[in-house]
Amino acid sequence: GDSVTQMEGPVTLSEEAFLTINCTYTATGYPSLFWYVQYPGEGLQLLLKATKADDKGSNKGFEATYRKETTSFHLEKGSVQVSDSAVYFCALSDGANSKLTFGKGITLSVRP
Amino acid sequence: DADVTQTPRNRITKTGKRIMLECSQTKGHDRMYWYRQDPGLGLRLIYYSFDVKDINKGEISDGYSVSRQAQAKFSLSLESAIPNQTALYFCATSVRTGTVNTGELFFGEGSRLTVL
Repeated sequence: GDSVTQMEGPVTLSEEAFLTINCTYTATGYPSLFWYVQYPGEGLQLLLKATKADDKGSNKGFEATYRKETTSFHLEKGSVQVSDSAVYFCALSDGANSKLTFGKGITLSVRP
Repeated sequence: DADVTQTPRNRITKTGKRIMLECSQTKGHDRMYWYRQDPGLGLRLIYYSFDVKDINKGEISDGYSVSRQAQAKFSLSLESAIPNQTALYFCATSVRTGTVNTGELFFGEGSRLTVL
């Protein structure tokens, strides 16, 4: 079945540091890929998405590129802020029925 | 006001009690979902519904049941709660645009359930 693997956490960075959070997937067919973010005490919300190979999703300074050859969708940001502290989930959808399969999530803490 | 509303937001109960978590949405979406979040395990799908007459089991449906009372309402029941059902529960909605599923989920703020 479909699965999503995220790098182990938690991750702690200083403000303005570069961020990379790795995500790889296993799926049949051509899934859509997503990054969701969960701020403290809130539900998840969509951060960015990509629906086909080589697409780049971007939002709030975050980017991720759909790499079919490496089955990856790594999240990057050039300069993190304290307000980026949250839990980040990578997910995929098979598109046929819009069920999402989530990774385990990773907690990012950004210190001033 | 939130588009996806869950009640209660917090609940403490005892083993063996029946519990219902309710979800209502004002987004007009046809698809609704219940997920469970546990530390280190991410989100796991319990049940999902694509319309009022369509209910499907997810990957961890044992011990749970659901009811889709209307397009806007989807409730999750624990008939006899047990301690390992202590978790954060999320309701979510999604919409199909023409023949394409957007794949995007819209989440409620969560219901934290503790079973003693």
